[in-house]
Amino acid sequence: GESVGLHLPTLSVQEGDNSIINCAYSNSASDYFIWYKQESGKGPQFIIDIRSNMDKRQGQRVTVLLNKTVKHLSLQIAATQPGDSAVYFCAEIYNTDKLIFGTGTRLQVFP
Amino acid sequence: DTGVSQDPRHKITKRGQNVTFRCDPISEHNRLYWYRQTLGQGPEFLTYFQNEAQLEKSRLLSDRFSAERPKGSFSTLEIQRTEQGDSAMYLCASSHGGRSNEQYFGPGTRLTVT
Repeated sequence: GESVGLHLPTLSVQEGDNSIINCAYSNSASDYFIWYKQESGKGPQFIIDIRSNMDKRQGQRVTVLLNKTVKHLSLQIAATQPGDSAVYFCAEIYNTDKLIFGTGTRLQVFP
Repeated sequence: DTGVSQDPRHKITKRGQNVTFRCDPISEHNRLYWYRQTLGQGPEFLTYFQNEAQLEKSRLLSDRFSAERPKGSFSTLEIQRTEQGDSAMYLCASSHGGRSNEQYFGPGTRLTVT
């Protein structure tokens, strides 16, 4: 399949370690913030979201943190596995419900 | 597999030709979105529908682009007189009307204009 994110920032982690992917957003009025995972040749896959009135939300092996003071969003992946290798995008929604995507980060997991 | 399907998966066309893509959303989702993604970038919003009504169109959607969702189920995106700059991945997503924060994407249609 084709490669997504040829010139993106890259995070390399060892299998089993925790990963932290960061994102800066632009609109303080956004209602939701969402993380998507995109594997090569596939569409983005919803991972987890967080409402703007929260600062932390946990899922299965993932945690999203929201710092509205500095407009910063992070995705923490516990015990990173080879299957987590992909490009990760943060996105925000405000007003008309369209997603506004940020710059992606490529996560590479090595054994 | 999210349940959103797109056809075709790949399309190669010559500049100046017209192309049409189809998206079938998750059946109970009343909202359908189109995005465009170029290599190295995140998807960019093009337009979206609630049922059969087209509620918003991006400035990216020039007059050569038209989208329809005639029966509130599947949608088509047509590009007329294609240009090389139209080469991109065209993504479709769907959601429940009240949960647009959970948009589920299809695999995309990769368009190459030669």
